[in-house]
Amino acid sequence: QKEVEQNSGPLSVPEGAIASLNCTYSDRGSQSFFWYRQYSGKSPELIMFIYSNGDKEDGRFTAQLNKASQYVSLLIRDSQPSDSATYLCAVPGPSNFGNEKLTFGTGTRLTIIP
Amino acid sequence: EPEVTQTPSHQVTQMGQEVILRCVPISNHLYFYWYRQILGQKVEFLVSFYNNEISEKSEIFDDQFSVERPDGSNFTLKIRSTKLEDSAMYFCASSGGTEFNSPLHFGNGTRLTVT
Repeated sequence: QKEVEQNSGPLSVPEGAIASLNCTYSDRGSQSFFWYRQYSGKSPELIMFIYSNGDKEDGRFTAQLNKASQYVSLLIRDSQPSDSATYLCAVPGPSNFGNEKLTFGTGTRLTIIP
Repeated sequence: EPEVTQTPSHQVTQMGQEVILRCVPISNHLYFYWYRQILGQKVEFLVSFYNNEISEKSEIFDDQFSVERPDGSNFTLKIRSTKLEDSAMYFCASSGGTEFNSPLHFGNGTRLTVT
């Protein structure tokens, strides 16, 4: 059974600071990883995906992947109040490289304090 | 920007009744999915659908559930005899492919309440 673990938070970060969100996964064969943002009562929205070890940057967001340690993280620079949401880590199903049969973590609730 | 639309936004039904949740995926997408999220819990995969048949399903997707693409635009999830534990937000999603760079586009969800 594929497991995806996240600290549920809440994580409170001052506006303008860096928010760091972490996710660990159990299946060493997992190849790709997705970060979604979910505002309260809304649907998940893709922020980034990563499949290579190291860092991937997109605007204020940086995803970091360490396959040896089986963790993936998301950094949000210059945090804004609009970043306040729950951030979901997701991993595809067994033998899936892409976006099929995603297993989601419980999510980390992030609050940006003005 | 094209989007996935779901109707109704909220459905209330009595235990044992059948419900049909409706979705209109993005028009040029070929892969369709249903996920659900029980209040305060994880988003869970239910089923994926491609080329008019189920490609994968989870253990949650038992005989009480079925999916259909009745025409060229709609994608439906039917729950035959609802149970209290079926109360959840149901999200439809679609994608142009299954590669990691073909992201899922989620609809706004249907909140199902079984009483």
